[in-house]
Amino acid sequence: NAGVTQTPKFRVLKTGQSMTLLCAQDMNHEYMYWYRQDPGMGLRLIHYSVGEGTTAKGEVPDGYNVSRLKKQNFLLGLESAAPSQTSVYFCASQNGGSTDTQYFGPGTRLTVL
Amino acid sequence: HKEVEQDPGPLSVPEGAIVSLNCTYSNSAFQYFMWYRQYSRKGPELLMYTYSSGNKEDGRFTAQVDKSSKYISLFIRDSQPSDSATYLCAMTHMDSNYQLIWGAGTKLIIKP
Repeated sequence: NAGVTQTPKFRVLKTGQSMTLLCAQDMNHEYMYWYRQDPGMGLRLIHYSVGEGTTAKGEVPDGYNVSRLKKQNFLLGLESAAPSQTSVYFCASQNGGSTDTQYFGPGTRLTVL
Repeated sequence: HKEVEQDPGPLSVPEGAIVSLNCTYSNSAFQYFMWYRQYSRKGPELLMYTYSSGNKEDGRFTAQVDKSSKYISLFIRDSQPSDSATYLCAMTHMDSNYQLIWGAGTKLIIKP
């Protein structure tokens, strides 16, 4: 039981490049989330999904797209990376949508030059 | 203006001390309050969860909610070096579709 895994762990991009971050969970959770964490800002929700085939915008969705084609996977895409997207990205999964525990992955450290 | 305010620290205390970590919030609709612990270069993990006002104790940890003052606290007794981490408060309510609103996190350092 690996929990929540994220790929890759580190990445350096140049401005304008694209990439996809992969999140996978093996707990059969319905809800999945993508957050970014910046110094002094806490966690900010980018996009989330309440089930396979669904996605919704969070607090800071601009510049990102997501897809949830399979229940266990939640992909975060950056179409044209900008230096402002330099951050640590965390994926989380949750059994239900109310107050169940969110389980986090180890994070992806992204630097955009 | 942030909905949830949390002093980022760092807060440095000697081993064995009682630690008090706090968050204030502005939205009186918040009903559920959580504390997550995040070790360096790791993802956050749930430490404590409380509903509405009152205290909840779990071993050396006590979570306290004062809804009248819009103030929540996490107390750590007999602090250990292994408690050194960043502590994030988070809260939610049904009208937000239970999306969590996070504090910035307080970095805690326990000196041996």
